[in-house]
Amino acid sequence: GQQLNQSPQSMFIQEGEDVSMNCTSSSIFNTWLWYKQDPGEGPVLLIALYKAGELTSNGRLTAQFGITRKDSFLNISASIPSDVGIYFCAGRFQKLVFGTGTRLLVSP
Amino acid sequence: KAGVTQTPRYLIKTRGQQVTLSCSPISGHRSVSWYQQTPGQGLQFLFEYFSETQRNKGNFPGRFSGRQFSNSRSEMNVSTLELGDSALYLCASSLEGRSYEQYFGPGTRLTVT
Repeated sequence: GQQLNQSPQSMFIQEGEDVSMNCTSSSIFNTWLWYKQDPGEGPVLLIALYKAGELTSNGRLTAQFGITRKDSFLNISASIPSDVGIYFCAGRFQKLVFGTGTRLLVSP
Repeated sequence: KAGVTQTPRYLIKTRGQQVTLSCSPISGHRSVSWYQQTPGQGLQFLFEYFSETQRNKGNFPGRFSGRQFSNSRSEMNVSTLELGDSALYLCASSLEGRSYEQYFGPGTRLTVT
């Protein structure tokens, strides 16, 4: 099945550090979304982006919809232990296509 | 407002059996989508239903089917289970006109032995 390329695959950082992850595709999407999934749970929607170039924040999270409509990035500032989880990007044209995920570990 | 609920949360079946999973969307959400999540393939789209009609379908064999009821609740069925069907099956609901903003349930963990 189709997947988006998400990097890095995993990150291990210290509490308080900033985090950046990105997602790229060979296809154009008209919506980009970022989700977080905790163990044993379904993904939770963090940020939705609807226009190329759009920059949107949700608390310590900031995401951008790439100008080419083929990429997006997510930044987390001042990470805390509860940021631990797997972060997925998703692009939508007619259906939702998910990235491969970035596993984030935060050391107190 | 209650979130998306899925039942059962865990299920163990043997090869060749069939299984039915249930999903209740967030109140007011009429679109329901199903996904399969595995370590190897990640999150893969199965199908989407709106107003009891299948609107989109992913690339899964015909053993995977679904339906939606008039109250927007949805079920998916997998027949003739194979070992490779072991996965977390996620249901997501969304508002009409905002189907790109999907809200996921906790999933049903299916193990096929």
